[in-house]
Amino acid sequence: EVQLLESGGGLVQPGGSLRLSCAASRFTFSNYAMTWVRQAPGKGLEWVSSISHSGGRIYYADSVKGRFTISRDTSKNTLYLQMHSLRAEDTAVYYCARDSDIDGYFDYWGQGTLVTVSS
Amino acid sequence: DIQMTQSPSSVSASVGDRVTMTCRASQGISSWLAWYQQKPGKAPKLLIYAASSLQSGVPSRFSGSGSGTHFTLTISSLQPEDFATYYCQQANTFPRTFGQGTKVEIK
Repeated sequence: EVQLLESGGGLVQPGGSLRLSCAASRFTFSNYAMTWVRQAPGKGLEWVSSISHSGGRIYYADSVKGRFTISRDTSKNTLYLQMHSLRAEDTAVYYCARDSDIDGYFDYWGQGTLVTVSS
Repeated sequence: DIQMTQSPSSVSASVGDRVTMTCRASQGISSWLAWYQQKPGKAPKLLIYAASSLQSGVPSRFSGSGSGTHFTLTISSLQPEDFATYYCQQANTFPRTFGQGTKVEIK
């Protein structure tokens, strides 16, 4: 079964940086687009960023554009989210998800990693 | 951006009930719609994609319909494990957007 394992979350001060990782296994990572989705405590789901299977097409939510960078390393089967200039409103559980064979639908999700931005 | 609006925000139902919830898009998205189920403390699970296609392994009591701007998710006979929050999501354009969720609670 497909596995996605996020790591890198934690407590960071406002204005700080953090890099999230998502280790993918049991599927051909290079064949699939990947996505980050976040969920603030007690709130709904918010799409953050997506990257195509090749890494050639990247998309961001306006709320993170210019501060977050999505990337992927096929040799390590790992997806990343580099986050800078963090704000209190970025506090959330961050999930990585695999786009299905049809891009745009998220068929497998990791367990999530909590990012808390607070002084 | 395409806004997704779900209704109701919550519904109380009993085991065996038929439950229907709605998702409306602020502009036409053809059939580019998914439904997810999320239980507390867990990641979302894909139930329906392309508005009406059942994801592999999902029980047939779940069904989706609609196109354009109006979509529905129906649970034909509610089971104890179905008490959860359900989200719709459009896959027509970027940014991808989710509805605010419909919580199915025990009556």
